[in-house]
Amino acid sequence: DGGITQSPKYLFRKEGQNVTLSCEQNLNHDAMYWYRQDPGQGLRLIYYSQIVNDFQKGDIAEGYSVSREKKESFPLTVTSAQKNPTAFYLCASSRGGYSNQPQHFGDGTRLSIL
Amino acid sequence: GQQVMQIPQYQHVQEGEDFTTYCNSSTTLSNIQWYKQRPGGHPVFLIQLVKSGEVKKQKRLTFQFGEAKKNSSLHITATQTTDVGTYFCAEPHNLFFGTGTRLTVIP
Repeated sequence: DGGITQSPKYLFRKEGQNVTLSCEQNLNHDAMYWYRQDPGQGLRLIYYSQIVNDFQKGDIAEGYSVSREKKESFPLTVTSAQKNPTAFYLCASSRGGYSNQPQHFGDGTRLSIL
Repeated sequence: GQQVMQIPQYQHVQEGEDFTTYCNSSTTLSNIQWYKQRPGGHPVFLIQLVKSGEVKKQKRLTFQFGEAKKNSSLHITATQTTDVGTYFCAEPHNLFFGTGTRLTVIP
């Protein structure tokens, strides 16, 4: 079945550590996205990519970095500069022309501070 | 940036009662999407509205887009326990999601 796979499901970060969240899709979608969701809150956009080797900052990009070297993959690194990283991280993808395409989401990664 | 306000934040209903959530924008929207997120799950796309005054139905769910394309609503008739979750509107042009309405259905 086609879909989006996020790993790991749970992740713990130590002080000063960078961690990378994986997102892979086999839907042949051009666009991919990363969102952060805090308890009881909506989704806030971290980064998005409309095409391979190109990505743009979202509303809360500080302390995060991404790469898009392959169409299928859009990993998110939470750097030590992100002082409050505890949250639920959701990856999504859509066909090209994101303004009228539905987004398909992965199951998410829950990140916590040790 | 684009601001879409969603109300109410929470709604508790008895099973069988109706439920409505609203999204309001200060500017005209090109289109609007609705998603449902079950507790512990991820958002799932429900529907997209594009035309002014558009109304779409999915079984007990009715979605409306305002005539001015500045507001939208999702109405659920005769709620069931399977309707539990958080309903989000989204403004896809700016990749903006509303804050969501968390629906609790009391059996």
